[in-house]
Amino acid sequence: TQLLEQSPQFLSIQEGENLTVYCNSSSVFSSLQWYRQEPGEGPVLLVTVVTGGEVKKLKRLTFQFGDARKDSSLHITAAQTGDTGLYLCAGGNQFYFGTGTSLTVIP
Amino acid sequence: DVKVTQSSRYLVKRTGEKVFLECVQDMDHENMFWYRQDPGLGLRLIYFSYDVKMKEKGDIPEGYSVSREKKERFSLILESASTNQTSMYLCASLPGQGGEGWNTEAFFGQGTRLTVV
Repeated sequence: TQLLEQSPQFLSIQEGENLTVYCNSSSVFSSLQWYRQEPGEGPVLLVTVVTGGEVKKLKRLTFQFGDARKDSSLHITAAQTGDTGLYLCAGGNQFYFGTGTSLTVIP
Repeated sequence: DVKVTQSSRYLVKRTGEKVFLECVQDMDHENMFWYRQDPGLGLRLIYFSYDVKMKEKGDIPEGYSVSREKKERFSLILESASTNQTSMYLCASLPGQGGEGWNTEAFFGQGTRLTVV
């Protein structure tokens, strides 16, 4: 049983479209991290969210932490081919990782 | 520039062999982790260490052991490799003392893709 479930598992979109990736759990986390992993590389941190209801923006990426600190979302505006990769959420001091969302942005 | 280095990018081993995966970090971090990554399952924690000679089991420690004799090096050992241990193995290091203070960035190595035949 996965503590952190991500949806969708796969996403293929056209360049310029918007998308949202979800990370859900039945457990409360003190913080959640979002990582992006490119083929042949280890994951790289994008953001950490700590406060329930928090919204953080990183250029075209918007991260939200649920009020109850059990879920989070990642929204990408006007996706670019460089956004292609595997997106992972993590919680519990990074003991637990989500199932991952593989994003492909088609030119 | 921070760096976590895993000794091999690709390994092919036979069933029953003893396998050593090495990880070295140059950031003087107290905490080091070993995960395996499988499609659809994300990363699963095998073992972690918060200090030299200290180790704790993660979610899936069965069939694995670890060694941390020096702060910068964390080794994962497959005592007798089996085909179900074919996977991508990722090492990470994290600064800070153990417990709730680990809301910081984990730095990952590039991974070792292990195939057991």
